[in-house]
Amino acid sequence: AQSVAQPEDQVNVAEGNPLTVKCTYSVSGNPYLFWYVQYPNRGLQFLLKYITGDNLVKGSYGFEAEFNKSQTSFHLKKPSALVSDSALYFCAVRLGGFKTIFGAGTRLFVKA
Amino acid sequence: DGGITQSPKYLFRKEGQNVTLSCEQNLNHDAMYWYRQDPGQGLRLIYYSQIVNDFQKGDIAEGYSVSREKKESFPLTVTSAQKNPTAFYLCASSMGAGGDYGYTFGSGTRLTVV
Repeated sequence: AQSVAQPEDQVNVAEGNPLTVKCTYSVSGNPYLFWYVQYPNRGLQFLLKYITGDNLVKGSYGFEAEFNKSQTSFHLKKPSALVSDSALYFCAVRLGGFKTIFGAGTRLFVKA
Repeated sequence: DGGITQSPKYLFRKEGQNVTLSCEQNLNHDAMYWYRQDPGQGLRLIYYSQIVNDFQKGDIAEGYSVSREKKESFPLTVTSAQKNPTAFYLCASSMGAGGDYGYTFGSGTRLTVV
């Protein structure tokens, strides 16, 4: 079955430290990969995407993600975390046509 | 500014009632979607629509209905057949299949059964 996994329910990091939120996927073909962020009682906001090309993609708010085809991973990273980065992060994979599947989400907590 | 508007923000439903959640977009997007969000489960697709007067069931369509009479509007009705409707509902839209730009989401409607 095609799936997206976010192995960590929560990630804790101190402000100013680098952060990584992990995502792995199991789909056939060459998927389109996305990261979204959700703040409390709000909809999801698009952060970045990977379709093809350079394995390191840059997105909004200083976030970037690294695509690794051999490990089927698409980890979200940021060199220096901010308290305002605290939110719920979702990895998503577009399977084709109009179908996208989302991971269960990872809550990021950045401590001052 | 272009975007998606969902209303109401909070909705309370009594047992046996049907309720309708509104979703309106002014982005001129072709495709629209309804997702349900439950804690720890991510987002699950209820219905989607590619064009006006056409819509398709998603993974959890039972107990829900939709219409797409206008490009801008994609309302979701939660019927009494939906046995566990308490959740956060998100409407989204995309240009085409959303492959290039992803989805634009509304701010959500939190539905509670009382």
